[in-house]
Amino acid sequence: DIQMTQSPSSLSASVGDRVTITCQASQDINTYLNWYQQKPGKAPKLLIYDASNLETGVPSRFSGSGSGTDFTFTISSLQPEDIATYYCQQFENLYTFGQGTKLEIK
Amino acid sequence: QVQLQESGPGLVKPSQTLSLTCTVSGGSIRSESYYWSWIRQPAGKGLEWIGRVYIRGGTNYNPSLKSRVTISVDTSKSQLSLRLSSVTAADTAVYYCARVRRVAGEFDYWGQGTLVTVSS
Repeated sequence: DIQMTQSPSSLSASVGDRVTITCQASQDINTYLNWYQQKPGKAPKLLIYDASNLETGVPSRFSGSGSGTDFTFTISSLQPEDIATYYCQQFENLYTFGQGTKLEIK
Repeated sequence: QVQLQESGPGLVKPSQTLSLTCTVSGGSIRSESYYWSWIRQPAGKGLEWIGRVYIRGGTNYNPSLKSRVTISVDTSKSQLSLRLSSVTAADTAVYYCARVRRVAGEFDYWGQGTLVTVSS
């Protein structure tokens, strides 16, 4: 099984801040990694696919990078509506989600 | 616009079988471009992938649940189903169905989720 480790587990930032979340895979997964945003009481929403591709309709302040075992998700300028929990997900071998990063406004 | 809607009992007794249905509309469940999956999320916790089914046949399950899970698809009703046997309190969660792009593994459309509580 491929394990996905996200950090930090929670994060507090101010509006306008640059926010970075990392995701590490337990083995090489190439760029087979997606990122999701989940707001309370809602289903997750796809933001980034294949490590760095922005899903249609997603604001350009969201971005992703990385390959192999180490990946980064960035919000360039945090907005109030970005408060949510963010998950990475690998698809190199079936599917595994990271444990999530809860983002709060400072 | 593709829509998915989960349905089923909100309360299941321990040791019994949890059964849920997901109805797909706005898109064909017969498309060979997608898998159809179930995912669950205990309250306050992360997402756990349960399994997937492909219209051409074939299923794959999370190894940790494989012995208890069955996922199937009924194309005539445009529905996918989940059965989870021998449930315990640890199976209490919000259960989601989702469409997965076969090529790149993205869960691009999700249902709203349904809460299933395991309790006597």
